[in-house]
Amino acid sequence: AQSVTQPDIHITVSEGASLELRCNYSYGATPYLFWYVQSPGQGLQLLLKYFSGDTLVQGIKGFEAEFKRSQSSFNLRKPSVHWSDAAEYFCAVAERGAGTALIFGKGTTLSVSS
Amino acid sequence: ETGVTQTPRHLVMGMTNKKSLKCEQHLGHNAMYWYKQSAKKPLELMFVYNFKEQTENNSVPSRFSPECPNSSHLFLHLHTLQPEDSALYLCASSQEWGGTQETQYFGPGTRLLVL
Repeated sequence: AQSVTQPDIHITVSEGASLELRCNYSYGATPYLFWYVQSPGQGLQLLLKYFSGDTLVQGIKGFEAEFKRSQSSFNLRKPSVHWSDAAEYFCAVAERGAGTALIFGKGTTLSVSS
Repeated sequence: ETGVTQTPRHLVMGMTNKKSLKCEQHLGHNAMYWYKQSAKKPLELMFVYNFKEQTENNSVPSRFSPECPNSSHLFLHLHTLQPEDSALYLCASSQEWGGTQETQYFGPGTRLLVL
């Protein structure tokens, strides 16, 4: 069965510092991969997605993610974090050719310190 | 309005009440979804509708009853809920269930508290 692991439950980063959120997936083939962000009391906003092609994908708000097949990873990065980036981040996987069911990780809460 | 909207944003109900959650998407999509987000648990897919037909029901208790009158609207009817049903209920939509390179877009959610 597919699964998504986000090893870090909570991360604190200083404003202006770089950020990397980890995501590992378990799936036999190359999946579709997504990162969503959820601010307190809000729904999920799509940050970026990977379907095929270039393994480094750019998203909104200055985020990027790199798909590494050999490591079954899709880590999210940002070179300089802003206080407004404090939120919960979810990595998700969709199985190709089997509907559009998303499997989500448990999320990583990002706190930004000044 | 654009995107996916949900009403109400907050709901408190007793275990004997009947209430409904509403979702509307303005994206021209044909697939709509209900998810449940509980504390400390991954998002759980509850139901999927594709072109108004229910295609997925992930063993959801019958006290949750979905309705999709058209491709733009999705309801979740609630009755005799339990306190453990308290959660954030998220609606999402995508172009089509089973399509290639599909992306789901989410609404802001309804925060439900069952007393």
